[in-house]
Amino acid sequence: DADVTQTPRNRITKTGKRIMLECSQTKGHDRMYWYRQDPGLGLRLIYYSFDVKDINKGEISDGYSVSRQAQAKFSLSLESAIPNQTALYFCATSDSGETQYFGPGTRLLVL
Amino acid sequence: QKEVEQNSGPLSVPEGAIASLNCTYSDRGSQSFFWYRQYSGKSPELIMFIYSNGDKEDGRFTAQLNKASQYVSLLIRDSQPSDSATYLCAVRETSYDKVIFGPGTSLSVIP
Repeated sequence: DADVTQTPRNRITKTGKRIMLECSQTKGHDRMYWYRQDPGLGLRLIYYSFDVKDINKGEISDGYSVSRQAQAKFSLSLESAIPNQTALYFCATSDSGETQYFGPGTRLLVL
Repeated sequence: QKEVEQNSGPLSVPEGAIASLNCTYSDRGSQSFFWYRQYSGKSPELIMFIYSNGDKEDGRFTAQLNKASQYVSLLIRDSQPSDSATYLCAVRETSYDKVIFGPGTSLSVIP
């Protein structure tokens, strides 16, 4: 089984809808991250969490919120989706902030 | 905002040649540097990390770090078509203990 899983893998939604992307990990890491990837822009950090009680905004947090339900679970929500949130979303984990282990990604299309 | 820059490419090299990928960073205090490989439609995976000035070799891959000039490079010897991917440079920020990714360089190895 994969160490970092993301659900759903693909999602199509309409403008204004609320959606949640979920991430689970079995690596036992305290640190979890949400990134979005757009062509030519690389990975941009949305939110990160160093433990269950510690959540921090990344460089592009506007329009997103997160919830760290447990050490192993970190969810990303789009409260009211808009077309420019169409992107590939990755969850990642790390133990000491060094090597990051990525989930398979969620491809989101907002119409 | 700390920055990590890479040539977007695409970089094309013939099979068997040396591929050279470069990255510059703005945070002079950065201590940890990473190279991730990302195949099309897949998630990034770590291939090299380097902390100290100089070279670090792992099989066909060599990472080179020059902190004074603030650049890090990745050399791939005896390039293979299977090396065709996007290579992401990442730098660990000193101030916020998180990793900043560059936009990636697309490498194509021509048989």
